[in-house]
Amino acid sequence: GEQVEQLPSSLIVQEGASVLINCSYTDSASVYFPWYKQEPGKRLQFIIDIRSNMERKQTQRLTLLFDKKTKHLSLHITATQPGDSAIYFCSATSGGNYKPTFGKGTSLVVHP
Amino acid sequence: ETAVFQTPNYHVTQVGNEVSFNCKQTLGHDTMYWYKQDSKKLLKIMFSYNNKQLIVNETVPRRFSPQSSDKAHLNLRIKSVEPEDSAVYLCASSLRDRGYAEQFFGPGTRLTVL
Repeated sequence: GEQVEQLPSSLIVQEGASVLINCSYTDSASVYFPWYKQEPGKRLQFIIDIRSNMERKQTQRLTLLFDKKTKHLSLHITATQPGDSAIYFCSATSGGNYKPTFGKGTSLVVHP
Repeated sequence: ETAVFQTPNYHVTQVGNEVSFNCKQTLGHDTMYWYKQDSKKLLKIMFSYNNKQLIVNETVPRRFSPQSSDKAHLNLRIKSVEPEDSAVYLCASSLRDRGYAEQFFGPGTRLTVL
């Protein structure tokens, strides 16, 4: 079955820094890749997604890049704020069975 | 308010007891999910229902059973809980009719098995 790997497992930065979270998957049948964040004590929240027919998506301070050939995604967060501190999860959904597989998460801590 | 609701928030029980968790979504979605999130925050899908039909049934112990009465409700029953069942159980929903779409998550039910 699908396997999703995220790196790094944790990041600690100063406010204003940019960060990059990498994600790779194994199943070439995966077609949909949403990302979520989980702030301490709060529910998982969708932040951005991309489909396999796209290469790039951007919303405000988030840029998501997708390389179908290498089965790799990267999430770029610019101008980080303490409120960005959370665990970020990459997810891959295989075409047809609608079964999402999540990475182990990247813990981001942004110091003021 | 439109969201995904879960009850209870917490549940503490003894090994061997039966527990039941409830989930309701008021978002008009057609697909609902149960996940297990362990102490390391690892998320594993357990079940998924689309329009009351089971579409994903991962390899979970037989003591776990989902129950769907309608598109808006998906409950989870655990017969004879074990210590390794201690975790946070997350319910989510999405709208599959429009193809692939993001999931909306509930706040979770934290289960502690003594």
